[in-house]
Amino acid sequence: EAGVAQSPRYKIIEKRQSVAFWCNPISGHATLYWYQQILGQGPKLLIQFQNNGVVDDSQLPKDRFSAERLKGVDSTLKIQPAKLEDSAVYLCASSLPGQGTGTQYFGPGTRLLVL
Amino acid sequence: QKEVEQDPGPLSVPEGAIVSLNCTYSNSAFQYFMWYRQYSRKGPELLMYTYSSGNKEDGRFTAQVDKSSKYISLFIRDSQPSDSATYLCAMSAPSGTYKYIFGTGTRLKVLA
Repeated sequence: EAGVAQSPRYKIIEKRQSVAFWCNPISGHATLYWYQQILGQGPKLLIQFQNNGVVDDSQLPKDRFSAERLKGVDSTLKIQPAKLEDSAVYLCASSLPGQGTGTQYFGPGTRLLVL
Repeated sequence: QKEVEQDPGPLSVPEGAIVSLNCTYSNSAFQYFMWYRQYSRKGPELLMYTYSSGNKEDGRFTAQVDKSSKYISLFIRDSQPSDSATYLCAMSAPSGTYKYIFGTGTRLKVLA
């Protein structure tokens, strides 16, 4: 079974530029999550989708971050404009809803450096 | 006070040692408790999950949950250099969103 795919793996941009990350979840997983992991910290949930609807975006900085999940499969997370403090690893995860804990499976992440 | 507290380490142990990793939490609504392992420059990988209180064993790994103390542990027996990684605890309350709250992670280094 293929895992969660993410691209690009690394991105370096200057502050005020825009950037986009892509995620393809495990086939059949209806729930998709985007997390931000700052160096030395645990992942923090940014947004959660159930199919193509948003169920939790309470910690998404909506003035600069946006995300969409068209057709309920893959998803894109965008930052515009980027700030220095956005330097982090952006992790995508997916799960089958109703599977006990809703166990989340993570992709390899996209490492973003904002200069 | 953070909802989930975890000592960041680093923790260095000799090969073959028993490792104990711990998290405390403040939210009594948490019912699901997970341990993830994260190698450098990789995504977190699920190791163990436990529902409510009790123990769960899988090979060299044992997860314990003490809800009365709001304390969870992961034990690694016969630790190997390949166990060197960051270990993240995560917790969630029973709800439709299964929102995970993660600890900061503990860096573990097993010395050959």
